[in-house]
Amino acid sequence: EVQLVESGGGLVKPGGSLRLSCAASGFTFTNAWMDWVRQAPGKGLEWVGRIKSNADGGTADYAAPVKGRFSISRDDSKNTLYLQMNSLTTDDSAVYYCSTEGGDPWRGYLDHWGHGILVTVSS
Amino acid sequence: DIQMTQSPSTLSASVGDRVTITCRASQSISSRLAWYQQKPGEGPKLLIYETSTLESWVPPRFSGSGSGTEFTLTISSLQPGDFATYYCQQYFYYRAFGQGTKVEIK
Repeated sequence: EVQLVESGGGLVKPGGSLRLSCAASGFTFTNAWMDWVRQAPGKGLEWVGRIKSNADGGTADYAAPVKGRFSISRDDSKNTLYLQMNSLTTDDSAVYYCSTEGGDPWRGYLDHWGHGILVTVSS
Repeated sequence: DIQMTQSPSTLSASVGDRVTITCRASQSISSRLAWYQQKPGEGPKLLIYETSTLESWVPPRFSGSGSGTEFTLTISSLQPGDFATYYCQQYFYYRAFGQGTKVEIK
């Protein structure tokens, strides 16, 4: 059974930083393309970014609102995905979900999701 | 970037109704479209991918269609467990979600 468990959320001041983790199990993490998606309170889903598998280059891509401030990385030895968030603003307050990408050969739909972790940016 | 626009934003319907949600892309996305269902307090669940392929858990009253820039999600006979918010998502170029359609009880 695929399991994705996010951690590292909490309260942070504007301008601060936070690193989220997503522990993965139940599938071959090494081969997986992984995404972060967020949802502000009472709002819709917003794609944050994606990292490819190392076999496919290991590169990450980001949505415009977070590009240059957020960084996605992975540690395949620990089956863990990370989201480093810097220069946080109140607009970044949201529940953050990690997810796996399905599809072969064209990937991109999000077939498994974690339960989400709350990040609150407030002074 | 590709923008996704869903309509309506809210839909009031009764059990047994046929319901259709539309999703439009700002440029062609071929068939690279997925639909998700989200209930209050829960994470999203993949419903349909590649425009019309149902996930294994999805009952056949759900269907998806379209191509290019216009897509639809149809529920042929709305059931109590279907009251939720539905999102479309394109994965042709990066990823982007529609703003969501809340299906509420009339």
